[in-house]
Amino acid sequence: AQSVAQPEDQVNVAEGNPLTVKCTYSVSGNPYLFWYVQYPNRGLQFLLKYITGDNLVKGSYGFEAEFNKSQTSFHLKKPSALVSDSALYFCAVRDRDDKIIFGKGTRLHILP
Amino acid sequence: KAGVTQTPRYLIKTRGQQVTLSCSPISGHRSVSWYQQTPGQGLQFLFEYFSETQRNKGNFPGRFSGRQFSNSRSEMNVSTLELGDSALYLCASSSKDVTNTGELFFGEGSRLTVL
Repeated sequence: AQSVAQPEDQVNVAEGNPLTVKCTYSVSGNPYLFWYVQYPNRGLQFLLKYITGDNLVKGSYGFEAEFNKSQTSFHLKKPSALVSDSALYFCAVRDRDDKIIFGKGTRLHILP
Repeated sequence: KAGVTQTPRYLIKTRGQQVTLSCSPISGHRSVSWYQQTPGQGLQFLFEYFSETQRNKGNFPGRFSGRQFSNSRSEMNVSTLELGDSALYLCASSSKDVTNTGELFFGEGSRLTVL
């Protein structure tokens, strides 16, 4: 079955430091991978996606993600964290039935 | 362009009652998906509708049902509510045209509390 795993429930990073939110996936065939962000009491917002091509994908708000096929990972990164980046982040994969399956989410805390 | 609209935003029900939630997708989007979000389980896929037909269904009991109308608006219904149905219910729309690779556009959700 297609799935994604986010091994960390919470990540704490000091403002200005680089951040990484981890995601691993399990799919058959070529994966379509996504990152979404959720701010308090809001729906999810699309950040970026990997379909094919360059392994480093750039998205909204200065975020990027690195696709690593050998490690089946799609980690979200940002060079310099902002307090406003504090939110809940979800990794997702499109499965063979064309539905989007989400990980359980990682809460990112950026400390001032 | 208006976003995805979900109504109501908040509602409180008691066990045994039923509830209907509504979702209006982005204009031109024909696919509507529903997700249940709880702190312990994250986002769980309920079902997806495309052009009034259910395309996919998650692993939820038959108490959870949905439908889609000709204008792409969708409703989901939960009957015989249980305490465990308390959650944020999110609707997402997608164009599903040949150029679409799966991005979903979410509404702000309907927060259901079952007492």
